[in-house]
Amino acid sequence: DQQVKQNSPSLSVQEGRISILNCDYTNSMFDYFLWYKKYPAEGPTFLISISSIKDKNEDGRFTVFLNKSAKHLSLHIVPSQPGDSAVYFCAAPLSGSARQLTFGSGTQLTVLP
Amino acid sequence: DVKVTQSSRYLVKRTGEKVFLECVQDMDHENMFWYRQDPGLGLRLIYFSYDVKMKEKGDIPEGYSVSREKKERFSLILESASTNQTSMYLCSGASGSNEQFFGPGTRLTVL
Repeated sequence: DQQVKQNSPSLSVQEGRISILNCDYTNSMFDYFLWYKKYPAEGPTFLISISSIKDKNEDGRFTVFLNKSAKHLSLHIVPSQPGDSAVYFCAAPLSGSARQLTFGSGTQLTVLP
Repeated sequence: DVKVTQSSRYLVKRTGEKVFLECVQDMDHENMFWYRQDPGLGLRLIYFSYDVKMKEKGDIPEGYSVSREKKERFSLILESASTNQTSMYLCSGASGSNEQFFGPGTRLTVL
């Protein structure tokens, strides 16, 4: 059973507007979350992360919000640019020393010019 | 810069062939991982390794095996390729942090 879920397989937004990508998780023991971005025919690249001791982390146009009581996190991109069009995965580390991550199914973001 | 490289970007094989996918990292990662990515299914873990000669099954190990004879190299083996193994294969490495560093991926097509 997936412990990290992205229920929207796709999202389209206009250039310059805000993109909001959502992620839900089931395991209340998760204390760290990561977002990866993936272009076609390339490997995922790390985008931004958040620790459970925070409810917000910001890096330029990207902000991740964490709502622990709702077991929900979201990635906000403002303003959205056509180059942001990619698949976005949220992920959480599993317990254990092997640094294993569990990933959501991904959301394809398309930013329309 | 962290570097994870994969031996092929695109590969076409026939059903029943033995297929080797190679992954090499230059960051001294203890942990290495093999995933496959399919539309709507995200990244699914096939196998991982936390040390030389050590391996653990992930969520979907059936039809695959791995080899880690050296710390920097982690190989994924399809013993007898089947059409349902057509996919994007991604290798990654990780060590001291939660972040994993991915290679560029191998798009495998099995005919």
